[in-house]
Amino acid sequence: EAEVAQSPRYKITEKSQAVAFWCDPISGHATLYWYRQILGQGPELLVQFQDESVVDDSQLPKDRFSAERLKGVDSTLKIQPAELGDSAMYLCASSDRDRRGDTQYFGPGTRLTVL
Amino acid sequence: AQSVTQLDSQVPVFEEAPVELRCNYSSSVSVYLFWYVQYPNQGLQLLLKYLSGSTLVKGINGFEAEFNKSQTSFHLRKPSVHISDTAEYFCAVSEEDTGGFKTIFGAGTRLFVKA
Repeated sequence: EAEVAQSPRYKITEKSQAVAFWCDPISGHATLYWYRQILGQGPELLVQFQDESVVDDSQLPKDRFSAERLKGVDSTLKIQPAELGDSAMYLCASSDRDRRGDTQYFGPGTRLTVL
Repeated sequence: AQSVTQLDSQVPVFEEAPVELRCNYSSSVSVYLFWYVQYPNQGLQLLLKYLSGSTLVKGINGFEAEFNKSQTSFHLRKPSVHISDTAEYFCAVSEEDTGGFKTIFGAGTRLFVKA
């Protein structure tokens, strides 16, 4: 069964450092999402791509966060500089835009700890 | 704007007992509804979804949910839980938007199954 791949699974960094997360969606899925999940809360959308275009980045803190999906396949989320409050799980998901209802398939996530 | 409310943050239950996790939503348009499960340090996994048709939806691991349009609810049920069902459960609502779909997640309900 096809899966969404993410790396790294865990990342520990110091504040003010730069970090990057990678996501490879299920093959053929045009829509890709990056979520941030704070412990004990539900996922919150950071950015949504349709192919290589950003559809929604209204909740992305653009002064420090950036995301790209250059060829419309895999994607990278970057934080520079990291702050203590960025400690969270970062989830990537993908969906097939031809399916109704936006069923999303999630990767295992990257747990970020900022010291 | 759509919203999702999971009415219980934690639900403790004994093994083999029935359980219901409650979810209410608000939306001004037709919606698609989902339940996802998340085990510790993992991504979200789809349990079941309501797109249209029968209001009683059956999912994996013996879970089912009923869509009630008049009460704007989508409660998740299982007649007999197992220790392995201990996890976080998220209700999600998706509606069509200009850029595709907009999906939001509830804050989650932690199900704790006791022996």
